[in-house]
Amino acid sequence: EPEVTQTPSHQVTQMGQEVILRCVPISNHLYFYWYRQILGQKVEFLVSFYNNEISEKSEIFDDQFSVERPDGSNFTLKIRSTKLEDSAMYFCASTERETQYFGPGTRLLVL
Amino acid sequence: AQTVTQSQPEMSVQEAETVTLSCTYDTSESDYYLFWYKQPPSRQMILVIRQEAYKQQNATENRFSVNFQKAAKSFSLKISDSQLGDAAMYFCAYRSVPNTGNQFYFGTGTSLTVIP
Repeated sequence: EPEVTQTPSHQVTQMGQEVILRCVPISNHLYFYWYRQILGQKVEFLVSFYNNEISEKSEIFDDQFSVERPDGSNFTLKIRSTKLEDSAMYFCASTERETQYFGPGTRLLVL
Repeated sequence: AQTVTQSQPEMSVQEAETVTLSCTYDTSESDYYLFWYKQPPSRQMILVIRQEAYKQQNATENRFSVNFQKAAKSFSLKISDSQLGDAAMYFCAYRSVPNTGNQFYFGTGTSLTVIP
């Protein structure tokens, strides 16, 4: 069964550094998402992406964040200058219709 | 914005018994989707069951079933014959209908422990 995959599984970075989180959505899906989950808190929507552009974003998704689909398979989330509060699990998801399928997540730790 | 509330941060159930996890939501929309996702310790969220609001019949998937009360905006998950592998965090989620790209709104989750 097709799955959403994410790399890396864990990332440790210094505050102020840039990180790129990578996702490979399910191949025939057209809508892509990033969510984050701070430890012990709910899963929060960051951004959705369709037809090579952002279709919706939350107030969390400020100028330090960007998304890109650099080729036909990858979907990336870039955090330009990481802050301590960016430490979280980041989930990628994709959908063809009403159900979103989630990747295993990238645990980001900002020191 | 829609809100999803899970009032039980933790629940436990004896193996082979039945447990019900609660979820309520707030919306002004008449049509939408509701989901239950399971997040085991491996952290990947897995779809458990899905309900379309326009369908009156409660969704069922093997040992998992829902009690969807649209007027009360309630969407509880019943797990029958609980198994050790059911131990996980369970999230209730809401999605609007009109746009396929609409985001999910999640509850805060219920941590389910299954006691052998």
